[in-house]
Amino acid sequence: SAVISQKPSRDICQRGTSLTIQCQVDSQVTMMFWYRQQPGQSLTLIATANQGSEATYESGFVIDKFPISRPNLTFSTLTVSNMSPEDSSIYLCSVGWGTGRDQPQHFGDGTRLSIL
Amino acid sequence: EDKVVQSPLSLVVHEGDTVTLNCSYEVTNFRSLLWYKQEKKAPTFLFMLTSSGIEKKSGRLSSILDKKELSSILNITATQTGDSAIYLCAPLRSGIQGAQKLVFGQGTRLTINP
Repeated sequence: SAVISQKPSRDICQRGTSLTIQCQVDSQVTMMFWYRQQPGQSLTLIATANQGSEATYESGFVIDKFPISRPNLTFSTLTVSNMSPEDSSIYLCSVGWGTGRDQPQHFGDGTRLSIL
Repeated sequence: EDKVVQSPLSLVVHEGDTVTLNCSYEVTNFRSLLWYKQEKKAPTFLFMLTSSGIEKKSGRLSSILDKKELSSILNITATQTGDSAIYLCAPLRSGIQGAQKLVFGQGTRLTINP
């Protein structure tokens, strides 16, 4: 499967600041996604990162809070803006990888974010 | 609204035991069901099940989908301490403009004691 590199792996930030998380894939992929995993919770899809166009956000997530870039088929960024302690979570990028109609998603190592 | 329920939420067994993890789902535009293992941060892909009744196996792990009952099970035989992890069930559904979306269950936390 594709090698997915995500950075930073962890960070501690002050409330009110913003942090940009990067996701780099070693192959061109069509589908890239961003997830959030709050403490003790399962994964929730934030948005689908679309190459060359605006990301598609899930209900409850907005572009002003989580702007996403996807400049090419191997790279995407997620920014967590104006952070508050409620944003403390693990943020994960994933890519669809496979030859079939349905492609399993494979995940990067995640970014553990703590807001003070 | 999509719904994925995994049971049990937590399971503690001894090394060598066999375990069965359950997943039931109610998802519109269902396509496939995926299982993941999460040890630290990143979930690791285990299986993707598309057809009902066909078992998929990988070593000591196996899984099967029942589309009539809207459920799936994950079996682990001869468990080892390295199997300790959270196991996530995630139906794949079609979304807007054909986009694919995973809907994750809350997971089963499996602990294998020596």
